[in-house]
Amino acid sequence: GQQLNQSPQSMFIQEGEDVSMNCTSSSIFNTWLWYKQDPGEGPVLLIALYKAGELTSNGRLTAQFGITRKDSFLNISASIPSDVGIYFCAGQSPTSGTYKYIFGTGTRLKVLA
Amino acid sequence: DTGVSQNPRHKITKRGQNVTFRCDPISEHNRLYWYRQTLGQGPEFLTYFQNEAQLEKSRLLSDRFSAERPKGSFSTLEIQRTEQGDSAMYLCASSPTKRTGGAVHNEQFFGPGTRLTVL
Repeated sequence: GQQLNQSPQSMFIQEGEDVSMNCTSSSIFNTWLWYKQDPGEGPVLLIALYKAGELTSNGRLTAQFGITRKDSFLNISASIPSDVGIYFCAGQSPTSGTYKYIFGTGTRLKVLA
Repeated sequence: DTGVSQNPRHKITKRGQNVTFRCDPISEHNRLYWYRQTLGQGPEFLTYFQNEAQLEKSRLLSDRFSAERPKGSFSTLEIQRTEQGDSAMYLCASSPTKRTGGAVHNEQFFGPGTRLTVL
């Protein structure tokens, strides 16, 4: 099935560093969601974005809805060990009558203490 | 509100057997989704219910798969004559109908998933 491109695929960072990741699509979306998934668990919703250019924060997390509506960005400031996990973006097409989401391939984050 | 729950959490079965999974959405959420996730990939859409009506099915959902949502509450996903390729995490998500300024906001909340292993 279709999956969105996420970059980077994986990253190792030192505790306290800032993290940036992005998600791109060949088509436009009207909603972007960002999730974090721990091994063996379901994805947990972090941030939802509904308007092009929108910038939304949730604690140390900040996400942006790209102005082209084909991309989104997630930043994590001052990373801590519990930030480790897989981060997924999910986009919803404006033509989707059922509001289903297309997910990215994930960015695997490892934080070195 | 305890969130979306799924049972069982793990299922190991032999090829050819039938399996059934259950999802209990967040109460009052009228939309329910099933996704499948294989190792190293993001979740992929399988099917969608609005209340009790199944409104969309992905091409990933072969004839061996059937889903129901009687009375618009919990949902079940059944796989008949399981194959090794069915091994995956099956995720359920629910969302409310929420309109803000005329726009539909559809935040989906996931359950913990059911990990299926077909031997």
